[in-house]
Amino acid sequence: GQQVMQIPQYQHVQEGEDFTTYCNSSTTLSNIQWYKQRPGGHPVFLIQLVKSGEVKKQKRLTFQFGEAKKNSSLHITATQTTDVGTYFCAGRILRGYQKVTFGTGTKLQVIP
Amino acid sequence: GAVVSQHPSRVICKSGTSVKIECRSLDFQATTMFWYRQFPKKSLMLMATSNEGSKATYEQGVEKDKFLINHASLTLSTLTVTSAHPEDSSFYICSARDRMAPYSPLHFGNGTRLTVT
Repeated sequence: GQQVMQIPQYQHVQEGEDFTTYCNSSTTLSNIQWYKQRPGGHPVFLIQLVKSGEVKKQKRLTFQFGEAKKNSSLHITATQTTDVGTYFCAGRILRGYQKVTFGTGTKLQVIP
Repeated sequence: GAVVSQHPSRVICKSGTSVKIECRSLDFQATTMFWYRQFPKKSLMLMATSNEGSKATYEQGVEKDKFLINHASLTLSTLTVTSAHPEDSSFYICSARDRMAPYSPLHFGNGTRLTVT
């Protein structure tokens, strides 16, 4: 079945440092979504990427979808303590059913 | 924005009892809802896809007789954990997609933390 892996699993950064999480799918995706989950909370939608090679920015966050539509990345510039949480990518396979498979997640800790 | 209400948020039950969790889309209609399970510090694992007016589609390894899903209307899906045991203790989250926007992102409920004693 489809697998979506993320690295790293955990990341501790000093406040102000940059952070990147990478997402890799075993199958080609029709689109990819990114979610953030705070401790004790539910996943909150951040962004969706659809096109091959697409890059989108949200303030300090930059999202990229690979050319082959099998990988993606999320980069945070100058992290803040409010960035703490677990970041999940979620992919929908090409020509697949509606279901979305979540990545393994990257937990970000920001040290003030 | 689209809101999904999940109830209850927390439930503690005794082993052998059944627990029902409700998932409602408040301001949109959802022909499809998804039920996920999340263990501590783990990712969300899709359990089943709930289809309005028809049987749910279960993922491999998920017991359909254990986790009963009913999607009787375009705004409500329920998950019943039957004869719960301590190993069923987990965080259960539902999500829904607006039927008018089938390729849009998922809208999540707040989740239900189930503890079976």
